[in-house]
Amino acid sequence: NAGVTQTPKFRVLKTGQSMTLLCAQDMNHEYMYWYRQDPGMGLRLIHYSVGEGTTAKGEVPDGYNVSRLKKQNFLLGLESAAPSQTSVYFCASGVGGQGYQPQHFGDGTRLSIL
Amino acid sequence: EDQVTQSPEALRLQEGESSSLNCSYTVSGLRGLFWYRQDPGKGPEFLFTLYSAGEEKEKERLKATLTKKESFLHITAPKPEDSATYLCAVASGNTPLVFGKGTRLSVIA
Repeated sequence: NAGVTQTPKFRVLKTGQSMTLLCAQDMNHEYMYWYRQDPGMGLRLIHYSVGEGTTAKGEVPDGYNVSRLKKQNFLLGLESAAPSQTSVYFCASGVGGQGYQPQHFGDGTRLSIL
Repeated sequence: EDQVTQSPEALRLQEGESSSLNCSYTVSGLRGLFWYRQDPGKGPEFLFTLYSAGEEKEKERLKATLTKKESFLHITAPKPEDSATYLCAVASGNTPLVFGKGTRLSVIA
């Protein structure tokens, strides 16, 4: 009963390095989301996808790119990491539609940029 | 712009001491209000969805209620294992969920 799986769980990067965070879901959900969670800021949406091959910007998209080549996977990329991107990143998935069904979350990736 | 405000930011209760958490929202056309529980080092875990004013949902010691302006999460006779951060989120129109900053609950034995 995996649900939403995020890899890696922890990562430390140097400023300017790039990396990709992977999210995989086994619930056949159409919608997938990437959030960041910072102290005192709550969860903020970075990018989301309403289906395979589609992506859209959320509240804080700058500095990130995403891809949804397969329905079950949603990748978040940082091309040139900055200290301001130090955060906990959560992936979520949902059946579809924003208002009627809950999102299911992974356990997060803790990312530190030095 | 949709807004969600949760209060208090932190709440400390003795075991068995009932209380309520508040989620005030401003949205144009509520489609759903969601409550989540988040334990340290974990992702948010879904608790309830409420769709219309007057609706109530219950799960063990938790009861969520909804009015046109706010939602309450009532905790009856809490136990230490209820300690967590409780998040509220709202959905309106076709916009993504807007989350509040959460209430950090500590229940002391």
